[in-house]
Amino acid sequence: AQSVAQPEDQVNVAEGNPLTVKCTYSVSGNPYLFWYVQYPNRGLQFLLKYITGDNLVKGSYGFEAEFNKSQTSFHLKKPSALVSDSALYFCAVRPLGGFKTIFGAGTRLFVKA
Amino acid sequence: GAVVSQHPSRVICKSGTSVKIECRSLDFQATTMFWYRQFPKQSLMLMATSNEGSKATYEQGVEKDKFLINHASLTLSTLTVTSAHPEDSSFYICSARDQGLAGDSDTQYFGPGTRLTVL
Repeated sequence: AQSVAQPEDQVNVAEGNPLTVKCTYSVSGNPYLFWYVQYPNRGLQFLLKYITGDNLVKGSYGFEAEFNKSQTSFHLKKPSALVSDSALYFCAVRPLGGFKTIFGAGTRLFVKA
Repeated sequence: GAVVSQHPSRVICKSGTSVKIECRSLDFQATTMFWYRQFPKQSLMLMATSNEGSKATYEQGVEKDKFLINHASLTLSTLTVTSAHPEDSSFYICSARDQGLAGDSDTQYFGPGTRLTVL
């Protein structure tokens, strides 16, 4: 079965420190991979995606993600966290040629000042 | 970038009434739109996929007679919750993909969501 796992319900990090939000996936074939962020009572905002090419993808607001095919992972990273990064983050995957996007359960990020 | 709007952002209604939620792609054509439901502190649950000019495809367990979806144009899809009950209270989010030739057909863009409260 195709799935996306975000193993951490919550990630806490101090402002200015690097952050990582983990994501692993299980799909057949090559995947399209996405990260979205959701602020309270808002829809999801697109952060970045991996389709093909360089394994390190840069996105909005200083975020980046690294695609690791052997580990089937697509972890979200940021070198220096801001308090305003506190939000709910969703990893998503769509199999190449597939129609539906599969979302992870979400990871809540808290950045303390 | 691609923008998706949703209206209303918040609605409170009495049990038994119907509520219509509109989803519009503002700067691109969306052949396909998706409707999701999100419960507190949970991920998105895909309810249905709507294709312009044809009937929506509903996910298993979603009542098509209760959640009416219409995708009348390339920029507008509507979700009508008929005879709403308190258990229908939730956060509803629409999403669209830009499948035009000049667009980014890989990415889904999301509306800001509609908070429905049924009393």
